[in-house]
Amino acid sequence: DAKTTQPNSMESNEEEPVHLPCNHSTISGTDYIHWYRQLPSQGPEYVIHGLTSNVNNRMASLAIAEDRKSSTLILHRATLRDAAVYYCILRDVDAGGTSYGKLTFGQGTILTVHP
Amino acid sequence: GAGVSQSPSNKVTEKGKDVELRCDPISGHTALYWYRQSLGQGLEFLIYFQGNSAPDKSGLPSDRFSAERTGGSVSTLTIQRTQQEDSAVYLCASSLAVSRNTEAFFGQGTRLTVV
Repeated sequence: DAKTTQPNSMESNEEEPVHLPCNHSTISGTDYIHWYRQLPSQGPEYVIHGLTSNVNNRMASLAIAEDRKSSTLILHRATLRDAAVYYCILRDVDAGGTSYGKLTFGQGTILTVHP
Repeated sequence: GAGVSQSPSNKVTEKGKDVELRCDPISGHTALYWYRQSLGQGLEFLIYFQGNSAPDKSGLPSDRFSAERTGGSVSTLTIQRTQQEDSAVYLCASSLAVSRNTEAFFGQGTRLTVV
């Protein structure tokens, strides 16, 4: 399984931008990079995903390095509601090379947002 | 409903009893996943379904765990002869397709406590 590495924790102040890094040096050419977050006592929530190009949606932006060995999730203006565990995930393929898109969760980054 | 629905939201059972956890995915979603999350831990993959088939059961911890999906919709995770180490939040997710390029939507989970 392709692995990701994230910092254990990060802190931010409300209304400031947050850049959450993720390293995935063993990424394959067809792996999509997904980000999910989990608020306290809730199930994970999809944030964004991409393959090669940078992606934007209403929640966040995803910046993908040119060699795809790292990516950064950008929250443009952090709010208290953004305090969560953020997971960077590469969707897996099975041994036969067929995509079934299993999400393998690591430990993620605990984001604390200060008022 | 609009999202993934899981029932019950909480379940307390005595050690040795069997339990059934139910997941109603988003209508039309062909892929369905089960995860569990022990207190303070990350998400552990259990099993996934494509339609009614379960191509990957590799995450099921023991033969006391089983799951089925009927009509390409509702799924049931059954734990027989529950043990205290089975206590966890069991999360279900669904995707429109079994693909690396689609997002997964999670339910709120079933909190299982074995006493």
